[in-house]
Formats: sequence, C-alpha cells, structure tokens
Amino acid sequence: DARVTQTPRDKVTEMGQEVTMRCQPILGHNTVFWYRQTMMQGLELLAYFRNRAPLDDSGMPKDRFSAEMPDATLATLKIQPSEPRDSAVYFCASASGTGYTDTQYFGPGTRLTVL
Amino acid sequence: AQKITQTQPGMFVQEKEAVTLDCTYDTSDPSYGLFWYKQPSSGEMIFLIYQGSYDQQNATEGRYSLNFQKARKSANLVISASQLGDSAMYFCAMRDLSGNTGKLIFGQGTTLQVKP
Repeated sequence: DARVTQTPRDKVTEMGQEVTMRCQPILGHNTVFWYRQTMMQGLELLAYFRNRAPLDDSGMPKDRFSAEMPDATLATLKIQPSEPRDSAVYFCASASGTGYTDTQYFGPGTRLTVL
Repeated sequence: AQKITQTQPGMFVQEKEAVTLDCTYDTSDPSYGLFWYKQPSSGEMIFLIYQGSYDQQNATEGRYSLNFQKARKSANLVISASQLGDSAMYFCAMRDLSGNTGKLIFGQGTTLQVKP
C-alpha cells in the first residue's frame, strides 16, 4: 500500500529554533507539494517540486523557510528561525504528474507548535 | 481565477442514511479535474474520489459518488449508507492550471457528523 510518509508527526519547539520536516513521496511520483493548513487560511501551497527541481516557492516566506529535494525519495522543509505564527499542520503531497487528472496523495502531516 | 465554494460549514446525518455535500466551482478552463478529500479528526488528508471535466459518467468509489452537473458547475459528493467513521471534514478541490504549478485549490470544507 504505497503512501506518502512524513516525519515528525508532531513537533513542539520554542521560538527561534530550527525546525526540519521530512517527506518521503510515493515511489515513482515525480511531483511533490508542500502545503500548510491553518484555521484562518485553510490549505495553502508553500512549495512545489517536479523531478526534484523547485518550480514554485512563492508561497513561502523566503527569509525563514527553505525547501529542498536532495533525492527522489526525500523532500525537506526547514524553518529557521521559527516563530509562533508558523504553528500549523504541514502536509506533503505527491503526484505522478501535473496534469489536471493527476491525483495528489497527502502524507499524514506534521503538526508544528512554536511556543 | 479558479475558485471552489462549499457553502455548508456543518452537516448532520443519521447513521445508514445518505448525505450530499455541496461543492460549486468556477473556472474558465475547459479541462479540469475535481477532487474530494476527507480529513478525520486525526488530521490526515485522504483522497476519496476524482471527476474529470470530460468524463461522461459520474464518478463512483464504493459508497462515494460524485453528482457532477457541468452546466451548473457543481460537483456534489454523495455518501450512501453513512457510517460513524464518516464523521470528518470534507474538502472539495480543483487543480489550478494557471502558472503550471498544478497546485490544488481547496474549498472551505464541510464538517460532517454522523449520528448513531
């Protein structure tokens, strides 16, 4: 049963600390998305990779967020330094393509709390 | 710009009955895909069903079916024989084809509670 995995599932940290979230997409999927979910904003796209290349990170605060895909089986989202307003659930999703028919499969999410 | 609207913040249904969750969309593209996701209290986003704009028949997946009315731009999710485990938030979504990101645009969500 192929699925997207994310670690950690929960993270509590103090303001100013570095946070790294990891995602393993479904094997064979060449498209990876990072979304953030908050009560106020709902689900919003942070970054997007195709074939490991970052194609759109316009949704990320550039001064503190960075997203990378060091290999086809790992995507990372890093926040440094973290702030309380970064508290949210961060989802990774993968798809086999970017066409309108391609389904995005989500990981379980990382619930981040910044104190 | 593409937009998804879910007008029902919360719904109740009796166990074993059917329920319809509303979704309307707005797009000027002739080619589009519509998706429904379920988010239980545990937080994960679970893909339920997909409908393509050119599909001739309404999509079905087990107890889930999609009432697709293209002229009205609606894609309502029908859950038959509701179960207690169906209690969750449900999101309607569409792929955003502008800018070629393929990101999903989500509606606000509908919270469904199944009563025993």
